[in-house]
Amino acid sequence: AQSVSQHNHHVILSEAASLELGCNYSYGGTVNLFWYVQYPGQHLQLLLKYFSGDPLVKGIKGFEAEFIKSKFSFNLRKPSVQWSDTAEYFCAVGRSSYKLIFGSGTRLLVRP
Amino acid sequence: AAGVIQSPRHLIKEKRETATLKCYPIPRHDTVYWYQQGPGQDPQFLISFYEKMQSDKGSIPDRFSAQQFSDYHSELNMSSLELGDSALYFCASSQLRMETGELFFGEGSRLTVL
Repeated sequence: AQSVSQHNHHVILSEAASLELGCNYSYGGTVNLFWYVQYPGQHLQLLLKYFSGDPLVKGIKGFEAEFIKSKFSFNLRKPSVQWSDTAEYFCAVGRSSYKLIFGSGTRLLVRP
Repeated sequence: AAGVIQSPRHLIKEKRETATLKCYPIPRHDTVYWYQQGPGQDPQFLISFYEKMQSDKGSIPDRFSAQQFSDYHSELNMSSLELGDSALYFCASSQLRMETGELFFGEGSRLTVL
């Protein structure tokens, strides 16, 4: 069965700390991988995506993610978080024009 | 750039009433998806349409129906509303030829059932 696992449900960090959010997936065949961010009360916005090429992808706002095929992982990282990064982060997998399957999300709280 | 437009943004209904949500995809996008996000939950896929035909179906209750019209906008109809239907309903659109499969989300319609 297709699934996405995000291991950290809640993460609390101080500003300038480094961030890594885990994401593992179970999906047959070639997949495309995404991280979406949802700020409080807002809609889902794409942070970054991977579909081929360099497994280290860079997204907006200083985020990056690394696709490790052997580990079925697509972890999100940021070297130094800011208070404005407080949000919920969703990992998602899918194929072209198929529905996305979302992980359960990770709530990040950054303390100023 | 044009984005996915959803209306209404907020809707309050009583139990057993009916609600209709509308979604206008990005121009030239041919696929529309509906997701339901309950409080504190991840988005759950409901249903999708490609070229006005249902292309996939998820955990959509029988009380709900949806369709995509000739101008590619879509409507989600919800009848006999229950308290548990209170959620944020997202519409997303994509273009079949986009190999990345990226979905572009609207800002959502927040339904509150009293």
